[in-house]
Amino acid sequence: GAGVSQSPSNKVTEKGKDVELRCDPISGHTALYWYRQSLGQGLEFLIYFQGNSAPDKSGLPSDRFSAERTGGSVSTLTIQRTQQEDSAVYLCASSLGHGQPQHFGDGTRLSIL
Amino acid sequence: GNSVTQMEGPVTLSEEAFLTINCTYTATGYPSLFWYVQYPGEGLQLLLKATKADDKGSNKGFEATYRKETTSFHLEKGSVQVSDSAVYFCALLRETSGSRLTFGEGTQLTVNP
Repeated sequence: GAGVSQSPSNKVTEKGKDVELRCDPISGHTALYWYRQSLGQGLEFLIYFQGNSAPDKSGLPSDRFSAERTGGSVSTLTIQRTQQEDSAVYLCASSLGHGQPQHFGDGTRLSIL
Repeated sequence: GNSVTQMEGPVTLSEEAFLTINCTYTATGYPSLFWYVQYPGEGLQLLLKATKADDKGSNKGFEATYRKETTSFHLEKGSVQVSDSAVYFCALLRETSGSRLTFGEGTQLTVNP
């Protein structure tokens, strides 16, 4: 399809393990965003990419969280040494550029046991 | 900082009833304003937007007008359907905030036949 694609759709892992979440943006969209949706916290911004660089990573909650983007397209969000409070739905969005409407994927539901 | 406040839910209506979901914002300057909808098990979908004062965004029978004097962007629909049952999020975008969307808490709408 032509929308933002995220994988996996669901991920269950044990506390302390590392996880990688993947996002394929809409073709031609230069801007890419990661958000987190959790009960009690609502929707929180994590990081923004323009091309392969991240001018705003101020929303990453700790140094266990990192993200990269290669080829101006696919992005991966990595969480190291997962904790139970990392359980949430991780949403990826892309847009044509800075300030343009953002289009979201269906998210990855992450559950930490 | 920027913030968005939405009318608390949940909201339960009968089919063909009139819908209003209130949204007010705090931001300096002239943010862009958005309504997103999240159907069960899905990601966020852009419903409508407005980029300057007095603009009216509309889509699928929903409307919202950007009111700078009251810092509001209330969502309305004249006659709701069962298929409109979803969570609705109001959001703002300030380009000087690094392109991040700031979301309200979300309002759960249930429409009964």
